[in-house]
Amino acid sequence: DAKTTQPDSMESTEGETVHLPCSHATISGNEYIYWYRQVPLQGPEYVTHGLQQNTTNSMAFLAIASDRKSSTLILTHVSLRDAAVYHCILIQNQGGSAKLIFGEGTKLTVSS
Amino acid sequence: EAAVTQSPRNKVAVTGGKVTLSCNQTNNHNNMYWYRQDTGHGLRLIHYSYGAGSTEKGDIPDGYKASRPSQENFSLILELATPSQTSVYFCASGGGGGSNERLFFGHGTKLSVL
Repeated sequence: DAKTTQPDSMESTEGETVHLPCSHATISGNEYIYWYRQVPLQGPEYVTHGLQQNTTNSMAFLAIASDRKSSTLILTHVSLRDAAVYHCILIQNQGGSAKLIFGEGTKLTVSS
Repeated sequence: EAAVTQSPRNKVAVTGGKVTLSCNQTNNHNNMYWYRQDTGHGLRLIHYSYGAGSTEKGDIPDGYKASRPSQENFSLILELATPSQTSVYFCASGGGGGSNERLFFGHGTKLSVL
């Protein structure tokens, strides 16, 4: 699976919109972009995923560049509950199992 | 909501002892995973499974064995536990790759090897 690059940390204030970037310059055509987040002492939680088109759900908006070499997770009106480590992961579209490899992710700090 | 249950939640073991960590999922997912996470670091994949009877090595399999006796259960076995295996272990289950690889994680097992 291709590698992703994320900033180590980002800071925000409650109510702001946060843009979390992810670079995946060597992404292949059959790889999906997944985002998970993890708070201390808990397992990771699924946020969203996409292949080529931008996607949105109740948790976040995922913007995918037209060349698919980067993506941005956009969190609107962040609250203290959004403070977590956010992981950007690439998963191949295949019929069997997929090895999800987690990097260090981006630690998002939210202040009041 | 999909459920993944790990047991025990906390475990203290002695060096050289055998440790078995258990994971049960009620999601009917084919794929299951074992990760470990050390303080201040990301998750590292130990073993994973495509289905009952199958186990595959992840990135750091040395010192660990895995067993998938059924669709629902996936165990991680430390035959001879060492202090370097002190960590938090997460089990996860998922659908089947690509567009369907949303993982559901358990709450983790904190293992201390003394």
